[in-house]
Amino acid sequence: GEDVEQSLFLSVREGDSSVINCTYTDSSSTYLYWYKQEPGAGLQLLTYIFSNMDMKQDQRLTVLLNKKDKHLSLRIADTQTGDSAIYFCAESNPRTGRRALTFGSGTRLQVQP
Amino acid sequence: DGGITQSPKYLFRKEGQNVTLSCEQNLNHDAMYWYRQDPGQGLRLIYYSQIVNDFQKGDIAEGYSVSREKKESFPLTVTSAQKNPTAFYLCASSYQGQETQYFGPGTRLLVL
Repeated sequence: GEDVEQSLFLSVREGDSSVINCTYTDSSSTYLYWYKQEPGAGLQLLTYIFSNMDMKQDQRLTVLLNKKDKHLSLRIADTQTGDSAIYFCAESNPRTGRRALTFGSGTRLQVQP
Repeated sequence: DGGITQSPKYLFRKEGQNVTLSCEQNLNHDAMYWYRQDPGQGLRLIYYSQIVNDFQKGDIAEGYSVSREKKESFPLTVTSAQKNPTAFYLCASSYQGQETQYFGPGTRLLVL
């Protein structure tokens, strides 16, 4: 079955790195995503990684994928107060025939000035 | 200015009333989706549509209905059968054959 799990809360100091973790159970997932949600807003696509990749870097964001352990992480370098938000991990698996994403419960990132 | 719009931003429902949430996109995306978000939880799929005049139930379709008469529009009706409708509703869209979804700003539905 499909299940995506994340820790609920992370607090870091401004300027530090943040690492948000996610585990998933469906080994046939093809794409894994990170979305950001600010209060009262929709979800903003941050980045995604294809399942045959180990790492993807995009400016301050680094995504690491350990397919053997079904573990995904998002590292935010030089975290700023504007990074405070809820971060959702999501997976897709088009082989199920259902083109929708399965989301984790979200990790609330709090950045202390 | 391309994107996904949802209206209204806030919606109030009285007991026994049906209400309709609007979702429009000008991205020329084929597929559209409706998700429900409850506090402290992830998103759960209500309905999705991969093509005009076709739609499929998601995980929590009971008490909801949709239509897809135009490519750009995918309205969601919350019926009186939905006993716990208070939530944040998010619409998304994607190109056919691509899994990456883009989201609208959401509608918060409250019950009076």
